[in-house]
Amino acid sequence: NAGVTQTPKFQVLKTGQSMTLQCAQDMNHEYMSWYRQDPGMGLRLIHYSVGAGITDQGEVPNGYNVSRSTTEDFPLRLLSAAPSQTSVYFCASSPNPRTHGFYNEQFFGPGTRLTVL
Amino acid sequence: GNSVTQMEGPVTLSEEAFLTINCTYTATGYPSLFWYVQYPGEGLQLLLKATKADDKGSNKGFEATYRKETTSFHLEKGSVQVSDSAVYFCALLSNNFNKFYFGSGTKLNVKP
Repeated sequence: NAGVTQTPKFQVLKTGQSMTLQCAQDMNHEYMSWYRQDPGMGLRLIHYSVGAGITDQGEVPNGYNVSRSTTEDFPLRLLSAAPSQTSVYFCASSPNPRTHGFYNEQFFGPGTRLTVL
Repeated sequence: GNSVTQMEGPVTLSEEAFLTINCTYTATGYPSLFWYVQYPGEGLQLLLKATKADDKGSNKGFEATYRKETTSFHLEKGSVQVSDSAVYFCALLSNNFNKFYFGSGTKLNVKP
């Protein structure tokens, strides 16, 4: 199993550009989520999905869109990049917490380092 | 609401020293608690977890006990190694099982 994969690893954008961060997992996990990691602020949840066709907002959803058309893929779209979106982005997946009870953990991808100029 | 508070770092220790990283949480109901570790340039990896009050999670010499009365989940290790240098995150899974909440992370530097 490849686990959780993210592409690209690094990206530089200009203000106003759009792009999609890709995330895929091959563990048949229902739950997927996107976080951003900023110095001194830990990980903040952007969006999450509990299954194909179902998404919901996290703590900091503004400026980001997601969709979940398959179990495997959960892309994150930046519609019009802003310097405030410079961050490291992590995708994570886990079995559905509701059906797998408390014995759950999230598996993280290696991250995408995004710089918006 | 749900939140996790960790002690600020960086924490700098000499090899074989005792480690404590404090973590307290606010949550409704009975969350599950986790410690994750992030090595430089990598994603987060689960270190240990506990699912109910008084449970002790342990792995690789690290331990943490779920203390409901003090809403804490402090991470401890009796003798740290240089290879333990990393950022440690405390996290909780909310009672409705929908969201994970992470602390701000504590960087540990272990010197030989």
